[in-house]
Amino acid sequence: GENVEQHPSTLSVQEGDSAVIKCTYSDSASNYFPWYKQELGKRPQLIIDIRSNVGEKKDQRIAVTLNKTAKHFSLHITETQPEDSAVYFCAATSNTGNQFYFGTGTSLTVIP
Amino acid sequence: KAGVTQTPRYLIKTRGQQVTLSCSPISGHRSVSWYQQTPGQGLQFLFEYFSETQRNKGNFPGRFSGRQFSNSRSEMNVSTLELGDSALYLCASSLAGNQPQHFGDGTRLSIL
Repeated sequence: GENVEQHPSTLSVQEGDSAVIKCTYSDSASNYFPWYKQELGKRPQLIIDIRSNVGEKKDQRIAVTLNKTAKHFSLHITETQPEDSAVYFCAATSNTGNQFYFGTGTSLTVIP
Repeated sequence: KAGVTQTPRYLIKTRGQQVTLSCSPISGHRSVSWYQQTPGQGLQFLFEYFSETQRNKGNFPGRFSGRQFSNSRSEMNVSTLELGDSALYLCASSLAGNQPQHFGDGTRLSIL
């Protein structure tokens, strides 16, 4: 099955700096890659996603890039703010699209 | 549109007991997935249902089972509870495969 690895496990940045979280996947048939943000004590929330026919997608301060050849995708957050502090999870779907494989999460802390 | 609803929010059980958790998906969503979340382990996939059929199952013992009803509501059952079953159990629904999953608030299960 699919294997998703996520790095780093923890990340601290100064407010206003950029943050980058990277994930790699193993199954070349995976074609949908969502990112979730989970604040303490809350449900994971979808923040951005990308499909395999697209190389990059942006939504205000958040962007995701996908390199299908290298089988890795990254989340980029610019101009970080304290409210960006949370755990971020990447995921990739199985070849059937019925199962999501999640990374182990990155705890992001934005220091004011 | 109402989000994914999980009940109960909290449960305390003792070893050897069994428990049933409930998940009501977003209206129109036919796929329901269950995850176990523990600190440091990320989101571990339990199973996925679509139109009352289990399509995928994760690497959990047979004590973990589930079902889906004709209205897409799903239940998860854990029998002969062990201390290690203490976790947050999350349910997520989506329209179909390779579509965004939307999570409920989870059921926090504590085993004494």
